[in-house]
Amino acid sequence: GAGVSQSPSNKVTEKGKDVELRCDPISGHTALYWYRQSLGQGLEFLIYFQGNSAPDKSGLPSDRFSAERTGGSVSTLTIQRTQQEDSAVYLCASSTLTGLGEAFFGQGTRLTVV
Amino acid sequence: GDSVTQMEGPVTLSEEAFLTINCTYTATGYPSLFWYVQYPGEGLQLLLKATKADDKGSNKGFEATYRKETTSFHLEKGSVQVSDSAVYFCALRDNQGGKLIFGQGTELSVKP
Repeated sequence: GAGVSQSPSNKVTEKGKDVELRCDPISGHTALYWYRQSLGQGLEFLIYFQGNSAPDKSGLPSDRFSAERTGGSVSTLTIQRTQQEDSAVYLCASSTLTGLGEAFFGQGTRLTVV
Repeated sequence: GDSVTQMEGPVTLSEEAFLTINCTYTATGYPSLFWYVQYPGEGLQLLLKATKADDKGSNKGFEATYRKETTSFHLEKGSVQVSDSAVYFCALRDNQGGKLIFGQGTELSVKP
């Protein structure tokens, strides 16, 4: 596609429920990133994919968070047993593999846990 | 590990004032450096970048120079406009194509 696409754009869920957030990167981009942006805060790194593998999962805040990427394309971020502190905007970005390539961001998924 | 530190905001300026937003980094290698901007209600977009020491990135009147000796990448603009009001993020990425690390962001508000 023309840009990074994230769905849903907004998600309201009840505490304790599981949620899945989807990211469609730009075609041909091998690197994919997930970040979390809480209100008034910076970007918190969650996980990074090169192709289908995740060399750096260091930012996942707990074992309730997991992510996968299939076919070197679509990625899904899953949050199990959501908590109110999980409420944030979840951003996905993709880039070419080299360090020179800029990362292109999606519009994000605003997650609200009630 | 690698990290980025930005000056805290919010920064409030009058139109046509000079802008500097400080950014310093810590990295084991020789990263590429970026400034991203997030306008109100919009997603992040790249403002400018520099990929090696002494490079100057520029766009829309903004400039930043990659200073290896001071590990800095300060953002400057000679004359800000109201439309420049946004949150600005400094970031680095190692040249092996690793993860993109962001500073905490600096909110800029420009008053007419």
